[in-house]
Amino acid sequence: AQSVAQPEDQVNVAEGNPLTVKCTYSVSGNPYLFWYVQYPNRGLQFLLKYITGDNLVKGSYGFEAEFNKSQTSFHLKKPSALVSDSALYFCAVRDPDGGATNKLIFGTGTLLAVQP
Amino acid sequence: NAGVTQTPKFQVLKTGQSMTLQCAQDMNHEYMSWYRQDPGMGLRLIHYSVGAGITDQGEVPNGYNVSRSTTEDFPLRLLSAAPSQTSVYFCASRHPGQGNEQFFGPGTRLTVL
Repeated sequence: AQSVAQPEDQVNVAEGNPLTVKCTYSVSGNPYLFWYVQYPNRGLQFLLKYITGDNLVKGSYGFEAEFNKSQTSFHLKKPSALVSDSALYFCAVRDPDGGATNKLIFGTGTLLAVQP
Repeated sequence: NAGVTQTPKFQVLKTGQSMTLQCAQDMNHEYMSWYRQDPGMGLRLIHYSVGAGITDQGEVPNGYNVSRSTTEDFPLRLLSAAPSQTSVYFCASRHPGQGNEQFFGPGTRLTVL
């Protein structure tokens, strides 16, 4: 069965420092991977996705993520964190070989706290 | 366009009461889904639909019903509310195609007493 793991409940980083939010996945075929961000009392917003091609994917707000097939990881990164990046981040996977449902499976979320 | 809209934003129910959470999208998306978000558990899929007249169960369907009479609307019905259904509920929609991202509504915060 497909699954997503976000090993860190919370990541703390100082403003201006690089940040990484970790995600690993398990699927039977080649994965479609997504990152979403949730600001307080808001719905989820799409950040970026990996479908195929270049392993480094660039998305909204200066975020990027690197797909690593051998490590089954899709870590979210940003070179220089902003206080406004503080939010809850979700990794999600869709298994393209998972049949007609194509359901999206979410990780448990990682709270990013950027200190000024 | 408005994207995905949900009503109400907040709701308090007593155990045993029923209600309907409304969801609508104006992007002509065929696929629509309902999730619930609970602390430490991420988002869990309740029900989904791949088109008008077609619905199916997700991970946690018990206690919920859905219908999809139009492309735009996908209401979620709680038949007899229980405290375990206290949660934040999100509706989402997308175009078909496995590479397409979902668009989420702002959520409904439900408390069952």
